[in-house]
Amino acid sequence: EVQLVESGGGLVQPGGSLRLSCAASEFNLRNYWVTWVRQVPGRGLQWVANINQDGSKKYYVDSVRGRFTISRDNTRNSVSLQMNSLRAEDTALYYCSSAIAAADSVWGQGTLVSVSS
Amino acid sequence: QSVLTQPPSASGTPGQRVTFSCSGSSPNIGKNPVSWFQQLPGMAPQLLIYNDDQRPSGVPDRFSGSKSGTSASLAISGLQSEDEADYYCLAWDNSLDFCVFGPGTQLTVL
Repeated sequence: EVQLVESGGGLVQPGGSLRLSCAASEFNLRNYWVTWVRQVPGRGLQWVANINQDGSKKYYVDSVRGRFTISRDNTRNSVSLQMNSLRAEDTALYYCSSAIAAADSVWGQGTLVSVSS
Repeated sequence: QSVLTQPPSASGTPGQRVTFSCSGSSPNIGKNPVSWFQQLPGMAPQLLIYNDDQRPSGVPDRFSGSKSGTSASLAISGLQSEDEADYYCLAWDNSLDFCVFGPGTQLTVL
């Protein structure tokens, strides 16, 4: 089955770090832009970051630029989001999506990040 | 304050046609394609429309998208109870240099 699976979420204290992973099954993630999107439970979607096929282009929403880093390992068919200096307002369900706005878009089911002392 | 504007709620009865608006400006909707997503309760979002008016395979033709100037619209015809969900628009913003979602419209099927 074609799918994306996120992992790495959890509870972390303010100022801490987490690394999220997005692994693809049954398709070559290397062929697609990959996007991270987050959603505070009960609230709307927020676009966070994306990366192109070879990792040479990366874009971030202002609120995470300088704290989050998106990267990819095409040999492992995966994309990561390194999150540093975490804040309470980063608490959300984090989704990854390949080809978010294209005909063959795929979304994962999300991984929950909670930032709290 | 979101860069893209959507009404917070909409409603309709089964069989009816409903439309959702997404209003932006020149750097986003005015210059870039718009996508629409459906999020059913407790589920991940799903792409409904891309490139303003294109449907991925598997999306019923009851769903249609359009764009004019700096506004985009999503229409659902033949409304069904299973269409009750949140609907979001998405577009790249050339000034911000990242993508933005609208705040979403919650659809209630009466």
